[in-house]
Amino acid sequence: AQSVTQLGSHVSVSEGALVLLRCNYSSSVPPYLFWYVQYPNQGLQLLLKYTTGATLVKGINGFEAEFKKSETSFHLTNPSAHMSDAAEYFCAVTGSGGYNKLIFGAGTRLAVHP
Amino acid sequence: EAQVTQNPRYLITVTGKKLTVTCSQNMNHEYMSWYRQDPGLGLRQIYYSMNVEVTDKGDVPEGYKVSRKEKRNFPLILESPSPNQTSLYFCASSLSQGAGEKLFFGSGTQLSVL
Repeated sequence: AQSVTQLGSHVSVSEGALVLLRCNYSSSVPPYLFWYVQYPNQGLQLLLKYTTGATLVKGINGFEAEFKKSETSFHLTNPSAHMSDAAEYFCAVTGSGGYNKLIFGAGTRLAVHP
Repeated sequence: EAQVTQNPRYLITVTGKKLTVTCSQNMNHEYMSWYRQDPGLGLRQIYYSMNVEVTDKGDVPEGYKVSRKEKRNFPLILESPSPNQTSLYFCASSLSQGAGEKLFFGSGTQLSVL
């Protein structure tokens, strides 16, 4: 079975500071990994994903994540936070069975203050 | 505009009164799915559909029904709602059922069962 653990339900950073949102996963098969973002009162949007190939993947709005198999991690970073990045971020892994079922973490709410 | 449309956006009902949450996508997607989002638990899959007339249970299907009579529509039915079904519900779709496909989410339906 697959599972996702997001460390820290709330993260607060200053505008312009580094953002680091942590995600660890468990999977019995090679994982596909995702980060989705949920802005207030909206549905989730895909930020980036890792399937195969390059382990450092870049997404929208300056975000990137690195797949580290040895650490079973897929942490999300942004070198410079903007006020508009305030949202809830979900890490997800594909479930077993080969179809498009995502197992989500509990989410991390990012606050950006001036 | 490509989108997943859910209705209603907010719904307050009483225990036992049947309700339907509608979901429609205009992207000719094969795969559709329903998730519920609860604080501290992230999103959990309720039901999914790989194509017309093909549906199956997700991780938390108890108390819910779905149907997929047309490719674009995937309604969620609560035959006898209970307070533990108070939650934020999301419909999602992807082009195919394959793992790794980008999921498109609706804006959500906030359901309160009194």
